Amino acid sequence: DVKVTQSSRYLVKRTGEKVFLECVQDMDHENMFWYRQDPGLGLRLIYFSYDVKMKEKGDIPEGYSVSREKKERFSLILESASTNQTSMYLCASSFDRGPTEAFFGQGTRLTVV
Amino acid sequence: KQEVTQIPAALSVPEGENLVLNCSFTDSAIYNLQWFRQDPGKGLTSLLLIQSSQREQTSGRLNASLDKSSGRSTLYIAASQPGDSATYLCAVGKNNAGNMLTFGGGTRLMVKP
Repeated sequence: DVKVTQSSRYLVKRTGEKVFLECVQDMDHENMFWYRQDPGLGLRLIYFSYDVKMKEKGDIPEGYSVSREKKERFSLILESASTNQTSMYLCASSFDRGPTEAFFGQGTRLTVV
Repeated sequence: KQEVTQIPAALSVPEGENLVLNCSFTDSAIYNLQWFRQDPGKGLTSLLLIQSSQREQTSGRLNASLDKSSGRSTLYIAASQPGDSATYLCAVGKNNAGNMLTFGGGTRLMVKP
C-alpha cells in the first residue's frame, strides 16, 4: 500500500514563528504536492515538485516556501506564520507517467495564534 | 483556467438507495480524472482514477464515468450504506504539468439508516 505520511496531525504555532510541515512517501513517486483546504475555498495548490531540488509554484505560493532534498521527502515552510495561514494542509504524491493516481497524507491541522 | 464544479453540494439519502454524484469541468484537455473520499478532519482517500482515454472505471459498488467532450464525470454508488457518508471530491489532472490536480468543491453525502 502507498503511504504518504505527514509529520503532525495537529500543530499550534504563534504568529511570526517559522513553521515546518514534513511529508514522506514510500512509493518512489516523482511528483509531490502541498495543498491547503479551507471551508468554502476547497483545495488549493501551494507548491509542487516533480524531482529532487525542483519546485513549481501553485495557485497560492505567497508566504510559503518548499524544500525537496530527497526524493521521498517534501517540506512546506511558513517563513513567518500568520493567522490567515490557519488551515488544513494536505500533502500528496504521484508518479509522473503511467498510472498517475495521487495519494494523500492524513493532513495537518495548523492553527496560528 | 480549469474550473471544476460538483453538484449537488450536499445530498441526504436513505440507506439502500442508488445515487449519482456529478462533476463538470470547463477544459476538456485533461490527463485524467480522480474521485476521492474525505471523512471529517481527515485526508483524502483515492476511490477511482480514470485516464483520459478511458470511459469508466469500477471498484466494488462504485462506478465512475468520464465524458471528456462534454466535460462531465459521474460517480455512481450502488446500494448506499451509512458508512458511505463522507465528502466526495473530484479532481482533474492537467496534462504536461506533473499531474497537478484541480479540485471541485465536493459533495457532502449523508446516508441515513
